[in-house]
Order: sequence, then C-alpha cells, then structure tokens
Amino acid sequence: DVKVTQSSRYLVKRTGEKVFLECVQDMDHENMFWYRQDPGLGLRLIYFSYDVKMKEKGDIPEGYSVSREKKERFSLILESASTNQTSMYLCASTREGSTMDTQYFGPGTRLTVL
Amino acid sequence: AQKITQTQPGMFVQEKEAVTLDCTYDTSDQSYGLFWYKQPSSGEMIFLIYQGSYDEQNATEGRYSLNFQKARKSANLVISASQLGDSAMYFCAMREGLQGGSEKLVFGKGTKLTVNP
Repeated sequence: DVKVTQSSRYLVKRTGEKVFLECVQDMDHENMFWYRQDPGLGLRLIYFSYDVKMKEKGDIPEGYSVSREKKERFSLILESASTNQTSMYLCASTREGSTMDTQYFGPGTRLTVL
Repeated sequence: AQKITQTQPGMFVQEKEAVTLDCTYDTSDQSYGLFWYKQPSSGEMIFLIYQGSYDEQNATEGRYSLNFQKARKSANLVISASQLGDSAMYFCAMREGLQGGSEKLVFGKGTKLTVNP
C-alpha cells in the first residue's frame, strides 16, 4: 500500500520561529510537492521537486524554502513563521513521467502560528 | 484567469440520490488530464477518478463517473446513489502538458457536498 507520511498532524508555533514540516514517501517517487490549503482558495502549490537536490517554485513560494537531500524525504521550511502562514499543509508525490497517475497525498499538517 | 472553476461552493443531496459536481477548465494544451479528489473532514486527499484528454469514453469508477465534454471544457463528477460517507469536500484538478512531462496539478477551490439522511 502506497504511503506518504507527514511528521505532524497538528503544530502550534510562535511568530518568528523556524518551522520544519517533514514529508516521507515510500513509493520511490521522483516528484514531490508541497501545497497549502486555505478555505475558499483550494490547494496552492508552494514548491515541488523532481529529483534529489532539485526544486522549483510553485505559485506561492514567498516565505518558504524546501530541502530534498534524499529521494524519499521532502522538507518545507518556514524561516520565520508569521500568522498568515497559519494553514493546512499537504505533501504529495508522484512518479516521474507519469501521465495518468494521480498524486498521492499525505494526511496533512494543520499549522497554527500565534 | 482561473484554470479550474468549481462554481458550487456547497451542494446538498438526499441519501441514495445522484448528484453532479461541476468543473470547468481552461487550457490551450491538447494533452491534459483531469482528476477528482475527495477530502473528508479528516483532511486526507483521496483520489477518485481520472480522465485523459484523448479518452473517448467517460471515465467510471464504481459509483463515480466523469461527464467529460471536451468542446465545452467541462469535467463534471457524477456520484450515483449517494451515501452519508460521501459528505466531504470535492476538488477538481488538471495536469497540463502531459507530453512534456509536466507533473504539476492545478486545483479548483472545491465543492462541499453534504448528504442528508
């Protein structure tokens, strides 16, 4: 059974803290993605990675960075958390070159920044 | 311009009835894919159904079917015989440029479906 896991389901941080959200997949997928989800806005792509140490900006990269040191792990970093980064964060993965394959999603992390 | 438009923020349906969730899309690519996901209150995104732009037949998966009208650029999800467990958010998504290997998905804003007993 395919699996994407995220390090925390719920997280509470303070403004200015550095925050790490971890995502691990066990499907040997090349592509990994980070989205944030806000009510009424759907899912918006923050960053994605198509290979180890490779990354590309998505639609809303400001205030975020990412790290992919190993194929199975993709980390989202909030260098200095702000209240407007309170959101649901979803990680996903998919095979390289897949055409009809879906993205597989993790359970999400609900982040609150106070 | 939005690439994926879901015009129904919320929908209600009686148990055992069918319901259609609307999705229109905008692309100039000839090769693209359309996906529907379900997101229960637990938060996980569950893949439901896929339609490729070159597929001549509408996709079906159990109680889910996709009413694909290419000329109108619509890809509506039909759920037959609704169940209480179908209550969730539903997202339509599109992947463009399949032949170029693009893996990015663009999502609509979602429709909240409530199934009444």
